[in-house]
Amino acid sequence: GENVEQHPSTLSVQEGDSAVIKCTYSDSASNYFPWYKQELGKRPQLIIDIRSNVGEKKDQRIAVTLNKTAKHFSLHITETQPEDSAVYFCAARYSGGGADGLTFGKGTHLIIQP
Amino acid sequence: GAVVSQHPSRVICKSGTSVKIECRSLDFQATTMFWYRQFPKKSLMLMATSNEGSKATYEQGVEKDKFLINHASLTLSTLTVTSAHPEDSSFYICSARDFDRGFAETQYFGPGTRLLVL
Repeated sequence: GENVEQHPSTLSVQEGDSAVIKCTYSDSASNYFPWYKQELGKRPQLIIDIRSNVGEKKDQRIAVTLNKTAKHFSLHITETQPEDSAVYFCAARYSGGGADGLTFGKGTHLIIQP
Repeated sequence: GAVVSQHPSRVICKSGTSVKIECRSLDFQATTMFWYRQFPKKSLMLMATSNEGSKATYEQGVEKDKFLINHASLTLSTLTVTSAHPEDSSFYICSARDFDRGFAETQYFGPGTRLLVL
């Protein structure tokens, strides 16, 4: 199966600065990598996703980069704002044997300091 | 768009009873739904993949006789926790794929169901 490692577990940045969260995955067959934002007691919300045939994707202040060779991908948030404070999860999609779900990283608690 | 609902949002039950959780895709048809479990301040753990009209595929270590999954229609999947015990207390979240929106692999999550077994 797939194994996803995520770092750091907690990240504190000043408002306006950038935040970077990194993930590695183990299964080279994984081909889809979403990032979710989850606020306390709420559902995970998809913020950006990327397929393995693309190296980078950007959506306003959020970007994701993927290095297939090294099997790692990163989330970049620029000009951070207080509402960016949440737990962020990376995930990798694998398929095989009838299963087709996402393997999640352990999460990063992002704290935006005013 | 791509709205997924769950019911109930919160349930408290006695040990030994069974609890059914519903997951519905409201504005799209979902041939595949997923059930996850999340412990406090922890990550989401995939329990099973639910395919409409066929048996669910369970992840290693998840007891299929304890966590019964039925995906009877393209908009509804149910998870029944049978003979619940306190260690089954958790946050259960479903997700569904909308093949007509975004990437085919994109999963949209329900709001979750918090189960407390006394």
